[in-house]
Amino acid sequence: QQQVKQSPQSLIVQKGGISIINCAYENTAFDYFPWYQQFPGKGPALLIAIRPDVSEKKEGRFTISFNKSAKQFSLHIMDSQPGDSATYFCAAPAVDSNYQLIWGAGTKLIIKP
Amino acid sequence: DVKVTQSSRYLVKRTGEKVFLECVQDMDHENMFWYRQDPGLGLRLIYFSYDVKMKEKGDIPEGYSVSREKKERFSLILESASTNQTSMYLCASSFRDSYYEQYFGPGTRLTVT
Repeated sequence: QQQVKQSPQSLIVQKGGISIINCAYENTAFDYFPWYQQFPGKGPALLIAIRPDVSEKKEGRFTISFNKSAKQFSLHIMDSQPGDSATYFCAAPAVDSNYQLIWGAGTKLIIKP
Repeated sequence: DVKVTQSSRYLVKRTGEKVFLECVQDMDHENMFWYRQDPGLGLRLIYFSYDVKMKEKGDIPEGYSVSREKKERFSLILESASTNQTSMYLCASSFRDSYYEQYFGPGTRLTVT
């Protein structure tokens, strides 16, 4: 069964620091790899997504890096702020479906002021 | 502003009861999804629908069924609730080809006693 392994499970970063969350996938379809952000009491919301033919995508303080040969992708949050405290999920397109994402287990990020 | 609404935020049911969870989206999306979210397990797909009256099983369909009679509405049915179905249930929707860009409702916290 296709899996996405996400690490770490939880992360504490000082305000202004860099938060790094990693994901590794097995087989996958050639399509967008999204990252979602979830605040307590809310559903996840799309944060940023990257296609596997691009090695890096940046949106403001958020950057996705993609390493196709290593089958890994990561989320970097620069200048982390207390408002970034949330649970982050990575996902990969399922190889045997046109509609399904395979989700990582999530990373609970806490930014200390 | 895009919106996915779920009928209840919190629900408490007894073992053996039939449970209906309703989801409505106002974005004219073709795809709709039902997930359950459990700590450390990420999001697991129960069912998804890519059109009215069309449905496909996800990774954990056992004990659940779905109904999509109108494009904007997708219902999840627990035929006979069991304690191991206590969880957070999330509904999402997306355009047909942008399935990686899913819009989520706030979730229903279901407790089965």
